[in-house]
Amino acid sequence: NAGVTQTPKFRILKIGQSMTLQCTQDMNHNYMYWYRQDPGMGLKLIYYSVGAGITDKGEVPNGYNVSRSTTEDFPLRLELAAPSQTSVYFCASSYSVTYTFGSGTRLTVV
Amino acid sequence: AQTVTQSQPEMSVQEAETVTLSCTYDTSESDYYLFWYKQPPSRQMILVIRQEAYKQQNATENRFSVNFQKAAKSFSLKISDSQLGDAAMYFCAYRSGNSGGSNYKLTFGKGTLLTVNP
Repeated sequence: NAGVTQTPKFRILKIGQSMTLQCTQDMNHNYMYWYRQDPGMGLKLIYYSVGAGITDKGEVPNGYNVSRSTTEDFPLRLELAAPSQTSVYFCASSYSVTYTFGSGTRLTVV
Repeated sequence: AQTVTQSQPEMSVQEAETVTLSCTYDTSESDYYLFWYKQPPSRQMILVIRQEAYKQQNATENRFSVNFQKAAKSFSLKISDSQLGDAAMYFCAYRSGNSGGSNYKLTFGKGTLLTVNP
């Protein structure tokens, strides 16, 4: 049982480039989330999904897009990378009050 | 909107001693859940302890216990007999007890970095 798998673990992007952070879970959880973690700021919610085909904005959605075509996958898209998007990104899923986090993606935009 | 405040950016403790990490929160809800997560240098988010607001008894998990004061909206974590492996960032988090939609999101504090000295 792999839980929540995020790829890649590390990535360096140039300003203006685009990329997709992948997130897959094998627990059949309906709820999935994307957070970003900045030093000294805790984790902030970017987007969340309550099931396949349903997504909604969180606290800091600007510059990001998501899709949820299947229960398992919840990719996060950065269209025009900016230095402000340098962060560690976490994907998570939940069932009831049990939350499972991926191991994170450290993204640097230069 | 709910907010979670961790007022101690950094704490240190001697090995085998006891340390308490503070967390306060603001909410108008009466039913909710509170969590403490540990994040070691590996970045993995590890659940330490969870408290349901409707339960008056403080949650305990081995060396970890909480002091939940609902009226004061306080949720502190006590680590007894600290070990070197306890060194990590600790996050306090809140989840609404209401159903559906954004109610299931976790709202995090900024974290407390715990150092354990040998």
